[in-house]
Amino acid sequence: QKEVEQDPGPLSVPEGAIVSLNCTYSNSAFQYFMWYRQYSRKGPELLMYTYSSGNKEDGRFTAQVDKSSKYISLFIRDSQPSDSATYLCAMSPLIQGAQKLVFGQGTRLTINP
Amino acid sequence: DTGVSQNPRHKITKRGQNVTFRCDPISEHNRLYWYRQTLGQGPEFLTYFQNEAQLEKSRLLSDRFSAERPKGSFSTLEIQRTEQGDSAMYLCASSLAFSYNEQFFGPGTRLTVL
Repeated sequence: QKEVEQDPGPLSVPEGAIVSLNCTYSNSAFQYFMWYRQYSRKGPELLMYTYSSGNKEDGRFTAQVDKSSKYISLFIRDSQPSDSATYLCAMSPLIQGAQKLVFGQGTRLTINP
Repeated sequence: DTGVSQNPRHKITKRGQNVTFRCDPISEHNRLYWYRQTLGQGPEFLTYFQNEAQLEKSRLLSDRFSAERPKGSFSTLEIQRTEQGDSAMYLCASSLAFSYNEQFFGPGTRLTVL
């Protein structure tokens, strides 16, 4: 079983819809959570990071963490065609310093105009 | 452009040849990471450096792989005697020493082994 599970999709929604992307994890040592966006044939771009349970909002994006369930989510409001990309969750232990990130498989998202 | 840069962006080689990739991190970042990403998968950790010291290597990094970071600035990743299974995107990331591990990625080098 992988340490981080993420539904690969593909997920296709109409423009303006609310998108929900999710990951589950098995390693309770993970305390630091990130979401990256990756356009085709490009490197991952850091969208959001959090280390607390609860919600963190940044514009149209909200990251949610439930450590008791080992479940994290990314919500995208008012989705735009430019949001079409692969979304990767990543996590590491909460130790300040260099830690490898463990990634999910990525969810491919398409927003249809 | 002050982001992470990688060269070359694409490399096509024949099986058995050696290849070398270069990564230039964000200038003030002293931590540098290498990941490998195959089609439809998330990046997988290969190795990381703090300054010039290589501090961790993944089991994925076979003896054919070697990474260096002379003088703690740019880094190189060399693959000797390439195999078709080495075909992947090789990603470099960098971070600050005292950050909470916010890693910033470069555009990657796509390797195709024929």
